[in-house]
Amino acid sequence: KAGVTQTPRYLIKTRGQQVTLSCSPISGHRSVSWYQQTPGQGLQFLFEYFSETQRNKGNFPGRFSGRQFSNSRSEMNVSTLELGDSALYLCASSLARQGDYGYTFGSGTRLTVV
Amino acid sequence: KNEVEQSPQNLTAQEGEFITINCSYSVGISALHWLQQHPGGGIVSLFMLSSGKKKHGRLIATINIQEKHSSLHITASHPRDSAVYICAVRVQLGRSGGGADGLTFGKGTHLIIQP
Repeated sequence: KAGVTQTPRYLIKTRGQQVTLSCSPISGHRSVSWYQQTPGQGLQFLFEYFSETQRNKGNFPGRFSGRQFSNSRSEMNVSTLELGDSALYLCASSLARQGDYGYTFGSGTRLTVV
Repeated sequence: KNEVEQSPQNLTAQEGEFITINCSYSVGISALHWLQQHPGGGIVSLFMLSSGKKKHGRLIATINIQEKHSSLHITASHPRDSAVYICAVRVQLGRSGGGADGLTFGKGTHLIIQP
């Protein structure tokens, strides 16, 4: 059974650009959540999607957005990139909302902003 | 103040030792998760707890809801257990303070098991 797939694995962008990251959940999982991990702040919750609707959002500026498609695949977008957006972005899928049956994490996308 | 506190931050032990990692939280939660992260970034979900105790192989996780405390134990530790162990809580809806109902994470415990 395929795991959670995140693409791309690595990305280098310039300040001011925008970026789109993709997450394909485990087949049958309807919930996708996104997280940012930095050395200074550790892991932080970005947002959670279930059945194509954003259910929860973390304390991040509006430059961070996302969406979920009917096949449960999710994308997150960061506009007007800042140096501080350099981080490992992880997504996790779960069978139901709020990770009621646990989470399966992808390998992450490492974003470097220069 | 971080809502989720882990201790110790760093732990080095010899192969075979019994390992305990602690997690304390200050808010009402609906569930607590223990995660393992290896170098390179991949995260594996070890346990999800809302009460009591769970065991999987050499790993044991306990939670005391009244004391807002959880522990992760590793018996007969092995060098392949070397990783960062992260505690995360799912805050009860409506009590998240900052408005986020997703997972809130501890800073992690860096564990090194020497052969």
